[in-house]
Amino acid sequence: QQQVKQSPQSLIVQKGGISIINCAYENTAFDYFPWYQQFPGKGPALLIAIRPDVSEKKEGRFTISFNKSAKQFSLHIMDSQPGDSATYFCAANPSNTGNQFYFGTGTSLTVIP
Amino acid sequence: KAGVTQTPRYLIKTRGQQVTLSCSPISGHRSVSWYQQTPGQGLQFLFEYFSETQRNKGNFPGRFSGRQFSNSRSEMNVSTLELGDSALYLCASSLSSGLQETQYFGPGTRLLVL
Repeated sequence: QQQVKQSPQSLIVQKGGISIINCAYENTAFDYFPWYQQFPGKGPALLIAIRPDVSEKKEGRFTISFNKSAKQFSLHIMDSQPGDSATYFCAANPSNTGNQFYFGTGTSLTVIP
Repeated sequence: KAGVTQTPRYLIKTRGQQVTLSCSPISGHRSVSWYQQTPGQGLQFLFEYFSETQRNKGNFPGRFSGRQFSNSRSEMNVSTLELGDSALYLCASSLSSGLQETQYFGPGTRLLVL
């Protein structure tokens, strides 16, 4: 079963708009939540990550919002650009399990010029 | 610094055959993890090796195995290939295990099973 549920599956946004991708989880042992960006033909690359002791983390145009009680977290891409067109994955890592990460199924983002 | 390299990049096999994929981590990284990526399932964790020992294993059959060498390079093997094994196999390296450090992914090996 999918331990991290991601939506939407695909997203089309106008240049300059805000892209929002959502993820939800059930396992309360998860304590690290990264987001990855993947371009065609490339492996995923870490974009931004958050731990549950904070509700928001911002790096440039990318922001993670985290709601511990609802077991949900989301990625906001402000001022979306055509170069942001890629597939985005959320992930979660339980404590004390090494580098075993559970990934969402991905969101294909297209930013229209 | 060179990134994570994976060889081969593409592979075509037939059902019943076996295959070995190779991953060279970033210099100095001691943890190597393997993932299977398919369109419907996303990335699914196969296993992690750290200091030549398997640290974690995902929910895959025993046909999937791996190992890590003293120089941290890792190989994964799939025996008795099935059509459903067609996927992109990604490896990721990080400095250590369990410290929630950045994982760096390679470009993957695309395996097609006919």
